[in-house]
Amino acid sequence: KQEVTQIPAALSVPEGENLVLNCSFTDSAIYNLQWFRQDPGKGLTSLLLIQSSQREQTSGRLNASLDKSSGRSTLYIAASQPGDSATYLCAVPPDYNNAGNMLTFGGGTRLMVKP
Amino acid sequence: EPEVTQTPSHQVTQMGQEVILRCVPISNHLYFYWYRQILGQKVEFLVSFYNNEISEKSEIFDDQFSVERPDGSNFTLKIRSTKLEDSAMYFCASRDTGGYNSPLHFGNGTRLTVT
Repeated sequence: KQEVTQIPAALSVPEGENLVLNCSFTDSAIYNLQWFRQDPGKGLTSLLLIQSSQREQTSGRLNASLDKSSGRSTLYIAASQPGDSATYLCAVPPDYNNAGNMLTFGGGTRLMVKP
Repeated sequence: EPEVTQTPSHQVTQMGQEVILRCVPISNHLYFYWYRQILGQKVEFLVSFYNNEISEKSEIFDDQFSVERPDGSNFTLKIRSTKLEDSAMYFCASRDTGGYNSPLHFGNGTRLTVT
């Protein structure tokens, strides 16, 4: 059974810092990995999806990397801003043969960027 | 940008009552999902739906739960007899036909409070 862990659970940084959020998963035979952002009381917004054949994906100040063999992904946020304050979640399908259905989520990293 | 719409945003009900949570997925999407998040816990998969039938469901999705796509636009989750432990944020999500590497799009959720 796939399990996803995110470290740290919470992070507080001053504005402008570059930061790294970590995600680890137990079954490395994944089809893809998705990073989401969740604002308080809101739904999840998809940030980046990395396919199993890819090593990284970039969108603006966000860069996500994937190392399947070690069961890890990182989300790098450059030049953080107060508007980046949110909970960041990673999620993976259970295994390569069940990629279309359920996602297993990590517990998230709650990020606060102070002005 | 098209979005997934959920109503109501907050539903309060008494234990034992039936509730229906409503979702309007993005119009050209064909894969539909329900997830839930109990306060302070991880986002959990409930059910996936494709081609007018359930394609996968979790252990949480027992006989008290059902889903329906009554017309071409709505996707509903029904809980027949609510329990206190059903209190959670319920998220609807949808995905297009672009294969398993197309990202999930989530609604803003319905907060269900069972008293």
